[in-house]
Amino acid sequence: EVQLVESGGGLVQPGGSLRLSCAASGFTFSSYWMHWVRQAPGKGLVWVSRSNKEGSDTTYADSVKGRFTISRDNAKSTVQLQMHSLRAEDTAVYYCVRGGDGYNSPLLNWGQGTLVTVSS
Amino acid sequence: SYVLTQPPSVSVAPGKTARITCGGDSLESKSVYWYQHKPGQAPVLVISYDTDRPSGIPERFSGSNSGNTATLTISRVEAGDEADYYCKVWDVTSDHDVVFGGGTKLTVL
Repeated sequence: EVQLVESGGGLVQPGGSLRLSCAASGFTFSSYWMHWVRQAPGKGLVWVSRSNKEGSDTTYADSVKGRFTISRDNAKSTVQLQMHSLRAEDTAVYYCVRGGDGYNSPLLNWGQGTLVTVSS
Repeated sequence: SYVLTQPPSVSVAPGKTARITCGGDSLESKSVYWYQHKPGQAPVLVISYDTDRPSGIPERFSGSNSGNTATLTISRVEAGDEADYYCKVWDVTSDHDVVFGGGTKLTVL
């Protein structure tokens, strides 16, 4: 059974930093792209970032580019999202998502999400 | 960047057919994916590559994509189908790899 378990969410002040982590199991982690998707309170799903299988190719939504960094450790089957210069509008539930094996593939499995609240 | 447009809400009586649309420029040239999201739960993929239904998804769920509009059709709607539904595409013309529609709240009357 595929499992994606996020951790690291919490309350952080504006301008602060937070590191989210996602532990994956039940599949060959190194064979899949990984994504982060977020959902602000009362809003829809918004894609944040993704990493290819090796971690050598990463992309970001404009809203987080330059502030967030995605990375992965295939040996430990984990993917992280380092978030800096956090803003109130970054408040959201962040989902770790298993993608396919390349472009134009589905988002196959989602974690339960971890809540990030940016507030003073 | 690429924009996908969904109606905010769709309502349907139990046993009837629900159709949720997703609009985008030349959408038929892209593969459309649909996700079901119930409150407090992880989103679930219900349609891949316009029309493919993943294992475990009921046959009542189907998809189509033509012109500028993709449609998720749910036949014989049940109370348990009440959820938010999102369409999604890949936009490889820019760095914005993945684009979601704004989501549609399906209400079962």
